[in-house]
Amino acid sequence: QQPVQSPQAVILREGEDAVINCSSSKALYSVHWYRQKHGEAPVFLMILLKGGEQKGHDKISASFNEKKQQSSLYLTASQLSYSGTYFCGTRMGDDKIIFGKGTRLHILP
Amino acid sequence: NAGVTQTPKFQVLKTGQSMTLQCAQDMNHEYMSWYRQDPGMGLRLIHYSVGAGITDQGEVPNGYNVSRSTTEDFPLRLLSAAPSQTSVYFCASSLGGGMNTEAFFGQGTRLTVV
Repeated sequence: QQPVQSPQAVILREGEDAVINCSSSKALYSVHWYRQKHGEAPVFLMILLKGGEQKGHDKISASFNEKKQQSSLYLTASQLSYSGTYFCGTRMGDDKIIFGKGTRLHILP
Repeated sequence: NAGVTQTPKFQVLKTGQSMTLQCAQDMNHEYMSWYRQDPGMGLRLIHYSVGAGITDQGEVPNGYNVSRSTTEDFPLRLLSAAPSQTSVYFCASSLGGGMNTEAFFGQGTRLTVV
Protein backbone atom coordinates (compact mmCIF):
# COMPACT_ATOMS: atom_id res chain seq x y z
CA GLN A 1 0.00 0.00 0.00
CA GLN A 2 2.99 2.28 0.48
CA PRO A 3 3.56 4.36 -2.68
CA VAL A 4 6.82 3.83 -4.54
CA GLN A 5 9.09 6.81 -5.03
CA SER A 6 11.86 7.09 -7.59
CA PRO A 7 14.67 7.79 -7.67
CA GLN A 8 15.75 6.97 -4.12
CA ALA A 9 18.40 9.66 -4.25
CA VAL A 10 19.64 12.30 -6.67
CA ILE A 11 22.56 14.71 -6.70
CA LEU A 12 22.31 17.89 -8.74
CA ARG A 13 24.28 21.02 -9.31
CA GLU A 14 22.61 24.31 -8.52
CA GLY A 15 20.47 25.42 -11.43
CA GLU A 16 19.74 21.93 -12.74
CA ASP A 17 16.28 20.40 -12.92
CA ALA A 18 14.95 17.30 -11.18
CA VAL A 19 11.90 15.08 -11.35
CA ILE A 20 10.71 12.89 -8.50
CA ASN A 21 8.09 10.26 -9.21
CA CYS A 22 5.47 8.66 -6.99
CA SER A 23 3.39 5.70 -8.06
CA SER A 24 0.73 3.54 -6.47
CA SER A 25 -0.70 0.13 -7.24
CA LYS A 26 -4.14 1.32 -6.15
CA ALA A 27 -6.45 4.10 -7.27
CA LEU A 28 -5.58 7.43 -5.69
CA TYR A 29 -7.85 10.13 -4.37
CA SER A 30 -5.12 12.67 -3.71
CA VAL A 31 -1.35 13.05 -3.54
CA HIS A 32 0.47 15.11 -0.90
CA TRP A 33 4.06 16.33 -1.23
CA TYR A 34 6.32 17.25 1.70
CA ARG A 35 9.97 18.18 2.10
CA GLN A 36 12.05 17.37 5.16
CA LYS A 37 15.42 18.84 5.95
CA HIS A 38 17.84 16.90 8.09
CA GLY A 39 16.83 16.92 11.75
CA GLU A 40 13.63 18.83 11.10
CA ALA A 41 9.95 18.08 10.67
CA PRO A 42 8.39 17.54 7.24
CA VAL A 43 6.99 20.70 5.67
CA PHE A 44 4.03 20.86 3.30
CA LEU A 45 4.60 21.63 -0.38
CA MET A 46 1.30 20.92 -2.13
CA ILE A 47 -1.71 18.66 -2.52
CA LEU A 48 -3.06 17.38 -5.82
CA LEU A 49 -6.57 16.04 -6.18
CA LYS A 50 -7.67 13.55 -8.79
CA GLY A 51 -8.49 15.25 -12.04
CA GLY A 52 -5.00 15.65 -13.45
CA GLU A 53 -4.44 19.14 -12.13
CA GLN A 54 -1.00 20.59 -11.90
CA LYS A 55 0.10 22.86 -9.10
CA GLY A 56 3.05 25.12 -8.54
CA HIS A 57 4.94 26.45 -5.58
CA ASP A 58 7.70 28.89 -6.53
CA LYS A 59 9.84 26.85 -8.97
CA ILE A 60 8.44 23.56 -7.73
CA SER A 61 5.44 22.11 -9.50
CA ALA A 62 3.67 18.76 -9.60
CA SER A 63 1.30 16.78 -11.72
CA PHE A 64 -1.13 13.98 -10.96
CA ASN A 65 -2.11 11.37 -13.51
CA GLU A 66 -5.12 9.68 -12.01
CA LYS A 67 -5.35 6.96 -14.64
CA LYS A 68 -1.74 5.92 -14.21
CA GLN A 69 -1.95 6.36 -10.43
CA GLN A 70 1.18 8.46 -10.56
CA SER A 71 2.36 11.87 -9.49
CA SER A 72 5.54 13.71 -10.38
CA LEU A 73 7.27 16.58 -8.60
CA TYR A 74 9.27 18.95 -10.80
CA LEU A 75 12.05 21.10 -9.38
CA THR A 76 13.17 23.73 -11.86
CA ALA A 77 16.49 25.57 -11.66
CA SER A 78 17.22 23.99 -8.31
CA GLN A 79 18.55 26.08 -5.45
CA LEU A 80 20.70 25.03 -2.52
CA SER A 81 17.65 25.41 -0.29
CA TYR A 82 15.90 22.60 -2.18
CA SER A 83 18.15 20.00 -0.58
CA GLY A 84 16.35 17.55 1.64
CA THR A 85 14.18 14.46 1.50
CA TYR A 86 10.95 14.62 -0.47
CA PHE A 87 8.00 12.48 0.51
CA CYS A 88 4.83 11.79 -1.37
CA GLY A 89 1.77 10.82 0.62
CA THR A 90 -1.20 9.13 -0.96
CA ARG A 91 -4.81 8.92 0.02
CA MET A 92 -6.91 6.12 -1.46
CA GLY A 93 -10.39 7.15 -0.42
CA ASP A 94 -10.23 6.41 3.29
CA ASP A 95 -8.89 8.66 6.02
CA LYS A 96 -5.27 7.50 5.89
CA ILE A 97 -2.37 9.32 4.29
CA ILE A 98 0.38 6.80 3.53
CA PHE A 99 3.84 8.10 2.71
CA GLY A 100 6.52 6.65 0.48
CA LYS A 101 10.08 5.99 1.60
CA GLY A 102 11.29 9.34 0.35
CA THR A 103 13.71 10.70 -2.24
CA ARG A 104 16.92 12.31 -0.99
CA LEU A 105 17.90 15.35 -2.99
CA HIS A 106 21.33 16.93 -2.62
CA ILE A 107 22.17 20.16 -4.42
CA LEU A 108 25.81 21.02 -4.99
CA PRO A 109 26.97 24.64 -5.43
CA ASN B 1 0.58 30.41 17.86
CA ALA B 2 2.51 27.30 18.92
CA GLY B 3 1.21 24.93 16.22
CA VAL B 4 1.90 21.27 17.04
CA THR B 5 3.87 20.64 20.22
CA GLN B 6 5.44 17.30 21.05
CA THR B 7 6.98 16.36 24.37
CA PRO B 8 9.48 15.11 25.24
CA LYS B 9 11.99 15.81 22.47
CA PHE B 10 14.27 12.96 23.55
CA GLN B 11 13.62 9.87 25.65
CA VAL B 12 15.54 6.74 26.59
CA LEU B 13 13.53 3.78 27.84
CA LYS B 14 14.43 0.38 29.09
CA THR B 15 12.82 -2.65 27.45
CA GLY B 16 9.45 -3.33 29.03
CA GLN B 17 8.87 0.19 30.34
CA SER B 18 5.80 2.11 29.34
CA MET B 19 5.48 5.77 28.50
CA THR B 20 3.29 8.34 26.80
CA LEU B 21 4.39 10.67 24.03
CA GLN B 22 2.43 13.87 24.22
CA CYS B 23 1.07 15.82 21.26
CA ALA B 24 -0.96 19.02 21.48
CA GLN B 25 -2.15 21.44 18.81
CA ASP B 26 -3.74 24.85 19.21
CA MET B 27 -5.17 25.27 15.70
CA ASN B 28 -8.53 23.57 16.37
CA HIS B 29 -7.66 20.86 13.86
CA GLU B 30 -9.94 17.86 13.66
CA TYR B 31 -7.48 15.42 12.11
CA MET B 32 -4.42 14.23 14.04
CA SER B 33 -2.01 11.42 13.36
CA TRP B 34 1.15 9.73 14.58
CA TYR B 35 3.98 8.57 12.32
CA ARG B 36 7.25 6.88 13.04
CA GLN B 37 10.33 7.50 10.94
CA ASP B 38 13.10 4.95 10.60
CA PRO B 39 16.10 5.16 8.25
CA GLY B 40 15.13 4.08 4.75
CA MET B 41 11.51 3.43 5.71
CA GLY B 42 9.94 6.83 5.24
CA LEU B 43 7.06 7.96 7.45
CA ARG B 44 4.83 5.10 8.58
CA LEU B 45 1.38 5.79 9.99
CA ILE B 46 0.76 4.37 13.47
CA HIS B 47 -2.68 5.70 14.46
CA TYR B 48 -4.88 8.56 13.44
CA SER B 49 -7.98 10.40 14.60
CA VAL B 50 -10.62 12.29 12.62
CA GLY B 51 -12.01 14.01 15.69
CA ALA B 52 -12.44 13.82 19.45
CA GLY B 53 -13.51 10.36 20.52
CA ILE B 54 -12.61 8.72 17.20
CA THR B 55 -9.36 6.86 16.54
CA ASP B 56 -8.26 4.23 14.06
CA GLN B 57 -5.24 2.14 13.18
CA GLY B 58 -2.66 2.98 10.58
CA GLU B 59 0.03 0.82 8.96
CA VAL B 60 2.00 -0.15 12.09
CA PRO B 61 -0.30 0.04 15.15
CA ASN B 62 1.00 -2.94 17.15
CA GLY B 63 2.51 -1.99 20.51
CA TYR B 64 0.87 1.44 20.57
CA ASN B 65 -2.36 2.83 21.97
CA VAL B 66 -4.01 6.19 21.42
CA SER B 67 -6.99 8.10 22.70
CA ARG B 68 -8.56 11.43 21.73
CA SER B 69 -10.55 12.86 24.59
CA THR B 70 -10.15 16.48 23.42
CA THR B 71 -9.65 18.17 20.06
CA GLU B 72 -6.28 19.53 21.18
CA ASP B 73 -4.51 16.43 22.51
CA PHE B 74 -3.57 13.12 20.93
CA PRO B 75 -1.20 11.13 23.18
CA LEU B 76 0.59 8.00 21.99
CA ARG B 77 1.17 5.27 24.57
CA LEU B 78 3.84 2.62 24.39
CA LEU B 79 2.57 -0.25 26.50
CA SER B 80 5.77 -2.26 26.88
CA ALA B 81 8.68 -0.73 25.03
CA ALA B 82 10.78 -2.90 22.74
CA PRO B 83 14.08 -2.10 20.94
CA SER B 84 12.14 -2.28 17.64
CA GLN B 85 10.28 0.83 18.75
CA THR B 86 13.44 2.90 18.69
CA SER B 87 12.53 5.60 16.21
CA VAL B 88 11.69 9.24 15.66
CA TYR B 89 8.00 9.87 16.24
CA PHE B 90 6.10 12.68 14.55
CA CYS B 91 2.66 13.95 15.39
CA ALA B 92 0.74 15.86 12.72
CA SER B 93 -2.53 17.74 12.55
CA SER B 94 -4.70 19.17 9.79
CA LEU B 95 -8.07 20.81 9.44
CA GLY B 96 -9.76 17.64 8.24
CA GLY B 97 -12.63 17.95 5.86
CA GLY B 98 -11.49 14.99 3.83
CA MET B 99 -7.86 15.36 4.88
CA ASN B 100 -7.05 17.27 1.70
CA THR B 101 -5.51 20.07 3.64
CA GLU B 102 -2.00 20.92 4.75
CA ALA B 103 -0.68 18.83 7.63
CA PHE B 104 1.45 20.52 10.26
CA PHE B 105 4.07 18.34 11.92
CA GLY B 106 5.52 18.63 15.38
CA GLN B 107 9.28 18.72 15.85
CA GLY B 108 9.44 15.03 16.70
CA THR B 109 10.34 12.84 19.65
CA ARG B 110 13.50 10.78 19.36
CA LEU B 111 12.97 7.58 21.33
CA THR B 112 15.64 5.03 22.14
CA VAL B 113 14.74 1.72 23.76
CA VAL B 114 17.66 -0.16 25.30
